[in-house]
Amino acid sequence: AQRVTQPEKLLSVFKGAPVELKCNYSYSGSPELFWYVQYSRQRLQLLLRHISRESIKGFTADLNKGETSFHLKKPFAQEEDSAMYYCALNWGAQKLVFGQGTRLTINP
Amino acid sequence: NAGVTQTPKFRVLKTGQSMTLLCAQDMNHEYMYWYRQDPGMGLRLIHYSVGEGTTAKGEVPDGYNVSRLKKQNFLLGLESAAPSQTSVYFCASRSTGVPEAFFGQGTRLTVV
Repeated sequence: AQRVTQPEKLLSVFKGAPVELKCNYSYSGSPELFWYVQYSRQRLQLLLRHISRESIKGFTADLNKGETSFHLKKPFAQEEDSAMYYCALNWGAQKLVFGQGTRLTINP
Repeated sequence: NAGVTQTPKFRVLKTGQSMTLLCAQDMNHEYMYWYRQDPGMGLRLIHYSVGEGTTAKGEVPDGYNVSRLKKQNFLLGLESAAPSQTSVYFCASRSTGVPEAFFGQGTRLTVV
């Protein structure tokens, strides 16, 4: 069963426009969720985690337990935000499972 | 400090051949993971390990075997490669106290 769902495989927005990458999850316990990013020719790396409630590179993500969502948002997209973004769930404190990924392209 | 290193970076196999992918980490992490990355499928967990000498199945374990004889190494084996195993394979590790996972650079495997 898919535990993390990212409904958009591709997302294209213009520079300066708001960005929202969707992530929904299914988990019976208290979820621990993350966003990872893979820039071109770089390794997959952690962008942010819901527990820290921080803003990284202008991105934020709020956990909505009622909607079982953890959408990633940025008010003003920049060209350097173009990358592959993965939502991830820490499943059972040991397994780390990922969604299908969303390729974000920021057009100039 | 090399982090997570995968060997090899590229490989072409013929159907039926076997091979082993090596993942090595120098961060003394307890948990290690093997994923495959396919277009439209995202990252899918193949096998994982929570400590030396232990392994467990992930989401897509069929056709793969793993071993964790040493804490720093996690091996992924393909006994009889199939074209469906053409993919990019990623290894990751993390500590029990810190949830952030660190990834290797990936291994691009093509089975013809």
